[in-house]
Amino acid sequence: NAGVTQTPKFRVLKTGQSMTLLCAQDMNHEYMYWYRQDPGMGLRLIHYSVGEGTTAKGEVPDGYNVSRLKKQNFLLGLESAAPSQTSVYFCASSTPGSSSGANVLTFGAGSRLTVL
Amino acid sequence: GDSVTQMEGPVTLSEEAFLTINCTYTATGYPSLFWYVQYPGEGLQLLLKATKADDKGSNKGFEATYRKETTSFHLEKGSVQVSDSAVYFCALSDQGYSTLTFGKGTMLLVSP
Repeated sequence: NAGVTQTPKFRVLKTGQSMTLLCAQDMNHEYMYWYRQDPGMGLRLIHYSVGEGTTAKGEVPDGYNVSRLKKQNFLLGLESAAPSQTSVYFCASSTPGSSSGANVLTFGAGSRLTVL
Repeated sequence: GDSVTQMEGPVTLSEEAFLTINCTYTATGYPSLFWYVQYPGEGLQLLLKATKADDKGSNKGFEATYRKETTSFHLEKGSVQVSDSAVYFCALSDQGYSTLTFGKGTMLLVSP
């Protein structure tokens, strides 16, 4: 029962470099999300996906791209990293809510990214 | 738009003290409300939830009641333990939407 797995767990980049964070879930969840967590800011939604082949922008999408080619995977890309993207990134997944509207997220353990 | 406001931390308590963490929300519809907990070095995990007015969510001794008249969902525990030290996030999911809106989190520190 792996749940949501994020790789890598830690990464240091130089300004202008590119990288991809990988999220994999084994719960057959339809919805997947990428959040960033910064001190004093809580969690902010970057992008999300409501199904294979679909993506949508969240609150802070600039500087990031995503892809959902397979249902179980959700990739977050940084094309040209900036120091402002230094953060802890969390992936999450969920099933659609029931008729009551509940939407419970399962989170990964996080990926700490530092951009110098 | 939707928003969640939590009391700022850190909240520092001695073991066995009573805990309250305040949470109020603004939403256009009839949201579901959640408390998530983040232990050091880990991702968030669901603590409890409530999906309609006057519902009470409970888990591990924690409780929160969905108060529509005051747009609040305060988290309470009668007797905290050192192991409850963590960051607590209040969140909402508006009906028909697929995303959660989180508060900024409240750190709880419990000393022996």
